[in-house]
Amino acid sequence: DAGITQSPRHKVTETGTPVTLRCHQTENHRYMYWYRQDPGHGLRLIHYSYGVKDTDKGEVSDGYSVSRSKTEDFLLTLESATSSQTSVYFCAISQALTGNTEAFFGQGTRLTVV
Amino acid sequence: AQSVTQPDIHITVSEGASLELRCNYSYGATPYLFWYVQSPGQGLQLLLKYFSGDTLVQGIKGFEAEFKRSQSSFNLRKPSVHWSDAAEYFCAVGITGGGNKLTFGTGTQLKVEL
Repeated sequence: DAGITQSPRHKVTETGTPVTLRCHQTENHRYMYWYRQDPGHGLRLIHYSYGVKDTDKGEVSDGYSVSRSKTEDFLLTLESATSSQTSVYFCAISQALTGNTEAFFGQGTRLTVV
Repeated sequence: AQSVTQPDIHITVSEGASLELRCNYSYGATPYLFWYVQSPGQGLQLLLKYFSGDTLVQGIKGFEAEFKRSQSSFNLRKPSVHWSDAAEYFCAVGITGGGNKLTFGTGTQLKVEL
């Protein structure tokens, strides 16, 4: 299994509070991604990173920010959590830019916003 | 923009029966295509991938998929399903120069009857 650790694995938080999810990799892969998984929607890309301090938005980035200060860590922050952000969040890593390598996924973080 | 359609939300098959999960994609050029499997509470595991060349690709766990450009399809097959194959299956497309960002279908939940 690829060395990807997501923390926490489960979290319940209140509406309006800030939340940070962490993804840590030991593979030294350049590219890292945050997806959210919701029933009926599959996985949708939130943000991704193509290097330290280099990030870009995905298709559902509103309400989320990311940071990557080290190759191995990619943080996802919900500045003010809303109930619509209740979801399962997956981190993924990849070696190459061109799309012809697979992405490896973490175990997921289940976030509930009450 | 690229998109992926998995028309079957749920499929039930008997153990030992054959399986075909459908996937159609929309993209202007030759895409990179993937099938992932997700067991309950787990992350996604790559079953197989197509980049170029032979349109019939073999994957892990006895799965195969066939790329048909004329039909924009990449259907997943297995000749004899095992009870342990019960899971959710996701088709995904990656694009050239897309930073290996994957666009996922909404998934097909497979139930295996003993």
